Amino acid sequence: QVHLVESGGGVVQPGQSLRLSCAASGFTFSYYAMHWVRQAPGKGLEWVAVIPYDGSTKYYADSVKGRFSISRDNPKNTLYLQMNSLTPEDTAVYYCARGHLSMLRGVDAYWGQGTLVTVSS
Amino acid sequence: QSALTQPASVSGSPGQSITISCTGTSSDVGGYNYVSWYQQHPGKAPKLMIYDVSIRPSGVSNRFSGSKSGNTASLTISGLQAEDESDYYCSAYTSGSTIVFGGGTKLTVL
Repeated sequence: QVHLVESGGGVVQPGQSLRLSCAASGFTFSYYAMHWVRQAPGKGLEWVAVIPYDGSTKYYADSVKGRFSISRDNPKNTLYLQMNSLTPEDTAVYYCARGHLSMLRGVDAYWGQGTLVTVSS
Repeated sequence: QSALTQPASVSGSPGQSITISCTGTSSDVGGYNYVSWYQQHPGKAPKLMIYDVSIRPSGVSNRFSGSKSGNTASLTISGLQAEDESDYYCSAYTSGSTIVFGGGTKLTVL
């Protein structure tokens, strides 16, 4: 059974950094692309970043490019999101989600429960 | 990376059919057959309903169907049920190798 568990969320001040983690289980983690998707309170879904199965070429939404960095540790079955220079507009629930075997297909059926990041002074 | 355009809300009565549109450009919806649809109930993680424009994952009711014409994709729900009341989001692969979501549509079952 596929299981994705995010951690690392919390309250930070503008300009600070935070690193989110996502522990994966129930599937061969090293085979799949992985995504981060966020949702601001009362708003819609916003795709954040994707990393392919081998961690090679990563892609980011324009809104986070240059500030956020996605990475993965395949032996540890863990996905990360390093978030720097945070602003109040980054306040959201951050979801870790599995991609399809092909990165082009986007986010698959498996999502974590989300972790809340609040950026406030 | 502009969000795909969805109607803010749609409604229908039980048993009826409704269609939610998702309009993009030739660089996303129109350029690839990689459109997905998600259902999200309040406080829950999204659930994948359709991928690759029209493929239903295992376990998703066949009352849900997807299609695409040009730069617009559509999700149709037939035989509306009270449990279908939810928020629905489309997403698409883009020419920049990114993913873009629609703004979301709130479905009300009257």
